[in-house]
Amino acid sequence: QQPVQSPQAVILREGEDAVINCSSSKALYSVHWYRQKHGEAPVFLMILLKGGEQKGHEKISASFNEKKQQSSLYLTASQLSYSGTYFCGTPGGGADGLTFGKGTHLIIQP
Amino acid sequence: EAGVAQSPRYKIIEKRQSVAFWCNPISGHATLYWYQQILGQGPKLLIQFQNNGVVDDSQLPKDRFSAERLKGVDSTLKIQPAKLEDSAVYLCASSAGGGYTFGSGTRLTVV
Repeated sequence: QQPVQSPQAVILREGEDAVINCSSSKALYSVHWYRQKHGEAPVFLMILLKGGEQKGHEKISASFNEKKQQSSLYLTASQLSYSGTYFCGTPGGGADGLTFGKGTHLIIQP
Repeated sequence: EAGVAQSPRYKIIEKRQSVAFWCNPISGHATLYWYQQILGQGPKLLIQFQNNGVVDDSQLPKDRFSAERLKGVDSTLKIQPAKLEDSAVYLCASSAGGGYTFGSGTRLTVV
């Protein structure tokens, strides 16, 4: 089951904040977040495990609520380098291979 | 540490031809994944290996796609025969149990 991401796209000015959401219709025990720039491979940002933990990476943090089956990625004081497409990934059934959402396109303008 | 190596970087073939992609994961990473990413979409898992064994190939179109990971190190993904809808970027990723490290991918165009 593919996780659902929202919004599909965000346009921000440099220094503004953004929130990207990821929700699943099935129980989650972990969520991965990746960023992909145009023409490049996805780059791992962070993994969140059940327990409602929050993790951070530079000025990017995330939360995970396994009861609500959702995760949110927070980008604070966005920089031009944050532009790209953000994907959340959730483990599948038996194996732990990730199923990715359709992505959220983030454009940061100067 | 060296990243995930993939080759070729680009490939253009005619429909019904065959093509093979190669991947060398990060040294020591037991888990290797092949993903297909169609333009504008998220990566879709094709197959997962744990060492040299297949863990999940439920989304691999087995009538035309095949993959192997001999000796539990590098891996090859093959398409035979290719269809127009196979045009995509094929990404290889490896993991030691946490986040994935992706290779640069092979951009396949089927004409």
